[in-house]
Amino acid sequence: QSGLTQPASVSGSPGQSITISCTGTNSDIGGFNYVSWYQQRPGKAPKVIIYDVSFRPSGVSSRFSGSKSGNTASLTISGLQADDEADYYCSSYTTSDSLVVFGGGTKLTVL
Amino acid sequence: EVQLVQSGAEVKKPGESLKISCKGSGYTFANYWIAWVRQMPGKGLEWVGIIYPGDSDRRYGPSVQGQVTISVDKSISTAYLQWSSLQASDTAMYYCARHRTVGTTPAGVDVWGQGTTVIVSS
Repeated sequence: QSGLTQPASVSGSPGQSITISCTGTNSDIGGFNYVSWYQQRPGKAPKVIIYDVSFRPSGVSSRFSGSKSGNTASLTISGLQADDEADYYCSSYTTSDSLVVFGGGTKLTVL
Repeated sequence: EVQLVQSGAEVKKPGESLKISCKGSGYTFANYWIAWVRQMPGKGLEWVGIIYPGDSDRRYGPSVQGQVTISVDKSISTAYLQWSSLQASDTAMYYCARHRTVGTTPAGVDVWGQGTTVIVSS
């Protein structure tokens, strides 16, 4: 069983929008709407920013949005801020025995 | 408030055993999957495994299969991650995390523990 595929890094300037992709299979992303995104700043525990593909937990900025098309989920951050610089991870429920699969993470650099 | 509180940092020698814990509070512990996630120094999050306290159904990620044991004690709302013989490559931060649970399906983490540092060195 392979993990979800994310780009290793993305970058953008303050005020711009960026999108991070997360590609899986019909057994995970493509088959279910249980995709989550997590933000992890250096030295900190991860934080949930998107769940069920496109829902934001209370307190998460509306600049963060999620979507899904086929076997690929996407996280979009609009109006980039310096504070958004962090690592971002996707995860999904999967029909494989492990039940959950993670992406390898994407490092966002705000230029 | 829903919380997961993990046990403190550990420094161990290769070959030693270890059991770290994750205590849940503020919710019905038996009804939510608890996951363990590993983060090696400078690396990304890695799936270790997951357990459903209600019936102790447990699953493991492919990279740790057979190397660790996940267990739970419902009576004290605590999940455990255990090694019988540590290796230097087990050095990492270990997070426990509660999954939103839809029926019996783990639907994504909604609460993270603070993490437990494990250092294995001779």
